[in-house]
Amino acid sequence: GAVVSQHPSRVICKSGTSVKIECRSLDFQATTMFWYRQFPKQSLMLMATSNEGSKATYEQGVEKDKFLINHASLTLSTLTVTSAHPEDSSFYICSARDDGTSYEQYFGPGTRLTVT
Amino acid sequence: QKEVEQNSGPLSVPEGAIASLNCTYSDRVSQSFFWYRQYSGKSPELIMSIYSNGDKEDGRFTAQLNKASQYVSLLIRDSQPSDSATYLCAPYGGATNKLIFGTGTLLAVQP
Repeated sequence: GAVVSQHPSRVICKSGTSVKIECRSLDFQATTMFWYRQFPKQSLMLMATSNEGSKATYEQGVEKDKFLINHASLTLSTLTVTSAHPEDSSFYICSARDDGTSYEQYFGPGTRLTVT
Repeated sequence: QKEVEQNSGPLSVPEGAIASLNCTYSDRVSQSFFWYRQYSGKSPELIMSIYSNGDKEDGRFTAQLNKASQYVSLLIRDSQPSDSATYLCAPYGGATNKLIFGTGTLLAVQP
C-alpha cells in the first residue's frame, strides 16, 4: 500500500514552453500533497504545499505564477512549470500525506525535467 | 541553529556491522518523527516512523526517540551493501504543519 505515482518520469522541453507533472496517490486519499525540487547532490527543497479544494501555499522565493499547482481531487495534484528555462532543469518530486495516518508522507518516484 | 541537524557523513561501516544514524531537532512541539532512505538519483522512501519516547523496531531497523533531548536515531543491524544510501531525518513540525527534512547522512556499507 501507500503508493504514489508521478508522470512523466522524464521530460525534455524547449525553453519557453510549459510542462505539466501529475502526482497521484493510488491507494489512499491525500488532502495534502507537497512538491519538492532537488538539484544534484543537494537537499530536498520544498516548493509548495498543495491542498485539495484550495489554493496552494508556496515557500518563500518560489514564484507562484511560474509553478502552477492544482489539487482537484483527493488523489491528484498537478504542477505546471510555465515558460520553462534551463535553470528550471531539476528533479521534481511530489509527496502525499495519507489522511488515514499520523502525518505519514509518501513520495512519488520523481520527474526529471531537462529544459534545452 | 538548523531546524534539523544530521552529520552529512559519509558514515562508512563494514558489512554485517551496526550503523548508527543520529539526528537532533529544534522544534519542541514536534510529535511525529520519520526516517527516509534515498538512493542516489531516486526519490525518498519512508522506512520508519516513531511517535513515542523509546525504541521502535522493524526488522533490521530500530528507531529511538528522546523528546527531552530532542534527539532521534536510527540503528541498522547487519548492514548490507544495499543499505548504502542517504538517510533523511524528518520531524513533523507542529507549528508549520509539514515535515522538516535534515540534509541527510550518507551511509556507505563496505562489502
